[in-house]
Amino acid sequence: AQTVTQSQPEMSVQEAETVTLSCTYDTSENNYYLFWYKQPPSRQMILVIRQEAYKQQNATENRFSVNFQKAAKSFSLKISDSQLGDTAMYFCAFMTANFGNEKLTFGTGTRLTIIP
Amino acid sequence: DTGVSQDPRHKITKRGQNVTFRCDPISEHNRLYWYRQTLGQGPEFLTYFQNEAQLEKSRLLSDRFSAERPKGSFSTLEIQRTEQGDSAMYLCASSSHSRSRGETQYFGPGTRLLVL
Repeated sequence: AQTVTQSQPEMSVQEAETVTLSCTYDTSENNYYLFWYKQPPSRQMILVIRQEAYKQQNATENRFSVNFQKAAKSFSLKISDSQLGDTAMYFCAFMTANFGNEKLTFGTGTRLTIIP
Repeated sequence: DTGVSQDPRHKITKRGQNVTFRCDPISEHNRLYWYRQTLGQGPEFLTYFQNEAQLEKSRLLSDRFSAERPKGSFSTLEIQRTEQGDSAMYLCASSSHSRSRGETQYFGPGTRLLVL
């Protein structure tokens, strides 16, 4: 079974600064996908960024980028030029590439607060 | 694309009562997932469908829980004889499954259940 660990329950950063959220996972599989989801207060969960394990290049989406270290089983999220709207719970999630087993396994989340 | 919708958004019930939740996925998405999220935790997988077939059920899904997707469109999740431990946010997600794996799951706003 896969596990996802987010060791930072809460973080805060000043607006416009850069912040990095940590995520580690455990799996015996070689092919899989990793995701970061954002859940703003009282709002629905939305995808921030995804990474295919077979791709060495780190994914980027505007101000969001990841540092994917497959050997270390690490998948951190960097938010540059943070904005007040980035305040949310952030969940790291794992999905196997095995057919018929494509459910998401989530970490416990990191509550990020952007301070004006 | 109107997104994933869930109804009701909130439900308060007394212990022992039955409740039913509905999820309408993004149109033409053939996969539909149910997750449960308790306070301060990440979502946990409950079950998922491909079209009308239920492909996997979590051990979290006791005999009191049943899910259906009769025509491969909307889905219902029923909890019989509710217990206080069932209080949680129930999330629905959908994705478009194809030969390429790791499709992004899009989440609905959730149904928050409180069992008194």
